Amino acid sequence: QSALTQPASVSGAPGQSITISCTGTSSDVGRYNYVSWYQQHPGKAPKLMIYDVSNRPSGVSNRFSGSKSGNTASLTISGLQAEDEADYYCDSYTTSSTWVFGGGTRVTVL
Amino acid sequence: QLQLQESGPGLVKPSETLSLTCTVSGLSISSSTYNWGWIRQPPGKGLEWVGNFYYRGSTNYNPSLKSRVTISVDTSKNQFFLELNFVTAADTAVYYCARRGVATSNRDSWGQGTLVIVSS
Repeated sequence: QSALTQPASVSGAPGQSITISCTGTSSDVGRYNYVSWYQQHPGKAPKLMIYDVSNRPSGVSNRFSGSKSGNTASLTISGLQAEDEADYYCDSYTTSSTWVFGGGTRVTVL
Repeated sequence: QLQLQESGPGLVKPSETLSLTCTVSGLSISSSTYNWGWIRQPPGKGLEWVGNFYYRGSTNYNPSLKSRVTISVDTSKNQFFLELNFVTAADTAVYYCARRGVATSNRDSWGQGTLVIVSS
C-alpha cells in the first residue's frame, strides 16, 4: 500500500488560516469516512486532532477542522498560533482492512 | 485513566527478533469496543502503521511487514505484544502502541513510544 500524499511543508503567519491536504485513492480516503489527523511535536507521541474526517475529540481547539472531497481529505487550522507549529499526519482505513498514513506535513508559524 | 506503556530491549542485532510489550492500565484490552495496535516511526521520518488486533482474535498487518510480524495478547496481564523477525537497520524506529475505537478512525490513546535500534 502506498502512503497518502501530503505536502512536505505549509507555513502561515499568526492569526492566518492554513489548509493541509491528504490525497489517497478510491481504495482508502475516497472509500471510507475513516480519516484522522494527528499533531506531533518533537520528541512527543502523536496527538489525535480530528477523526472520522471531521470530528474533534474533547479538548481539541475548534480552530482545527477537517473535511473531505473525493480522494482528498483536508485539515484546516484557523487563527494560527505559535503552539500549532508541529508535524501533522493523516491516516485512513483501506479496502484491505489496513491503515495507511500520510508522509507528514511540517507546519511553520512565521 | 487509560495508560499505555511500551517496554522492551532498546538494541537488537540484525537478523534477530524485535520483541516489545505494551502494558495497558485503566481499561481491559478484552473490551469489545476497541482495537489495539502498533505504529512505528523511523528517526526523522513519518509514521507507519504496523498492525492491530481485536479482542476476538482477529489481526491485521501492514502488507510490507506481514511476513515478519506477529501481534499477540495476554489478557490475564492486560498486555499485548509485537514480534518482528529478521530485523535490519530499516526497522530502527520509535515504536508506539495505541488504542483505536471499533468502527471509527478514533485512535485517541498512545503510549510514549520506545526507541529500538537495530545494530550489531
